[in-house]
Amino acid sequence: DVKVTQSSRYLVKRTGEKVFLECVQDMDHENMFWYRQDPGLGLRLIYFSYDVKMKEKGDIPEGYSVSREKKERFSLILESASTNQTSMYLCASSSAGTGGRETQYFGPGTRLLVL
Amino acid sequence: AQSVAQPEDQVNVAEGNPLTVKCTYSVSGNPYLFWYVQYPNRGLQFLLKYITGDNLVKGSYGFEAEFNKSQTSFHLKKPSALVSDSALYFCAVRAMYSGGGADGLTFGKGTHLIIQP
Repeated sequence: DVKVTQSSRYLVKRTGEKVFLECVQDMDHENMFWYRQDPGLGLRLIYFSYDVKMKEKGDIPEGYSVSREKKERFSLILESASTNQTSMYLCASSSAGTGGRETQYFGPGTRLLVL
Repeated sequence: AQSVAQPEDQVNVAEGNPLTVKCTYSVSGNPYLFWYVQYPNRGLQFLLKYITGDNLVKGSYGFEAEFNKSQTSFHLKKPSALVSDSALYFCAVRAMYSGGGADGLTFGKGTHLIIQP
């Protein structure tokens, strides 16, 4: 079974703090993704990576950065947390392929509250 | 730009009755379509996907979905609903692209499915 784990299920931070969300997958997947989920908005793509040290902006990258130093690990960084970043953050991974038919597998999510 | 519409925020079905959760999409070119389910305080679980071929796709837990190109729809169905099917359901789309690399999915806003005993 594919396993995607996220470092924290719940996180409370203060405005202006630097926040690190960690994601690890054990299936040797090339592709990894970060989404945020908000009620009534569905999931929106923040960043993704198709290889170590490679990153691509998604639909809502502002206020976020990412790091992928190892194949299995993909970190989301909130440089200076703000209250509008309070959300559920979901990490996903998929195998490489062509054409986009690969299934993405999701972690359990991190619910972040910024006070 | 690609998009997904799930027109119903909530669908209520009596246990044992058939259920349908609606999804329509907009994409340039050929689509890849996915359904995911989310139980409370959990991540998304993959249910099924349409890539090519047979328009009726069968997936996990007895769910199936029908791809209709002319109506740009990919509705999720199950012949007989269970109380345990109550959850949040997401439809997602990605346009087919050439070459390698990766691309994210575009999700709908989700539909709450409530199965009443």
